[in-house]
Amino acid sequence: AQSVTQLDSQVPVFEEAPVELRCNYSSSVSVYLFWYVQYPNQGLQLLLKYLSGSTLVKGINGFEAEFNKSQTSFHLRKPSVHISDTAEYFCAVSDRDSSASKIIFGSGTRLSIRP
Amino acid sequence: DAGVTQSPTHLIKTRGQQVTLRCSPKSGHDTVSWYQQALGQGPQFIFQYYEEEERQRGNFPDRFSGHQFPNYSSELNVNALLLGDSALYLCASSLLQLSYGYTFGSGTRLTVV
Repeated sequence: AQSVTQLDSQVPVFEEAPVELRCNYSSSVSVYLFWYVQYPNQGLQLLLKYLSGSTLVKGINGFEAEFNKSQTSFHLRKPSVHISDTAEYFCAVSDRDSSASKIIFGSGTRLSIRP
Repeated sequence: DAGVTQSPTHLIKTRGQQVTLRCSPKSGHDTVSWYQQALGQGPQFIFQYYEEEERQRGNFPDRFSGHQFPNYSSELNVNALLLGDSALYLCASSLLQLSYGYTFGSGTRLTVV
């Protein structure tokens, strides 16, 4: 079984500053990794995903994440945030080798941007 | 290309009642998964449907049941509602192989009073 731990429940940051949202996962099998964003009163939108290959993954809205297998981490980064990035961010994992897998989500990190 | 459509968007029910939530998947997707998201928490997996069968189930009681129709749309039914069932219910569609991830609907906000 897989699990996801998002180490920070809230991250406040000033506008135009860099940000890192931390995510660690646990799994006994190979995994896919995802970051989703949720704006208020909306569903979840895929930011980026790691399937295989290059450990640095680039997504939408200027976000990127780095897969570190030895540390079982998949931290999300953005070099300069904007007010519009204020949202809840969810890290997620699924079993890569299962023909019928589900995505397991972390508890989320609320990113608040200060002007 | 329509994404995932959920109905209704909001719903208020009384304890003990039954509720049915509906989901139309994104065009081309054949798998539907349902999640419960309580306030301030991450989505919790309820179950997944493929080829009209429940393929996987999370840690939810039998009061939660579902169905998938031949056109891939799906329903989530909750019987004997409890106050603790109040949450945002999210439907996600995908292909069975998850390399493309899920596409989520905007959810149904269920309030049990």
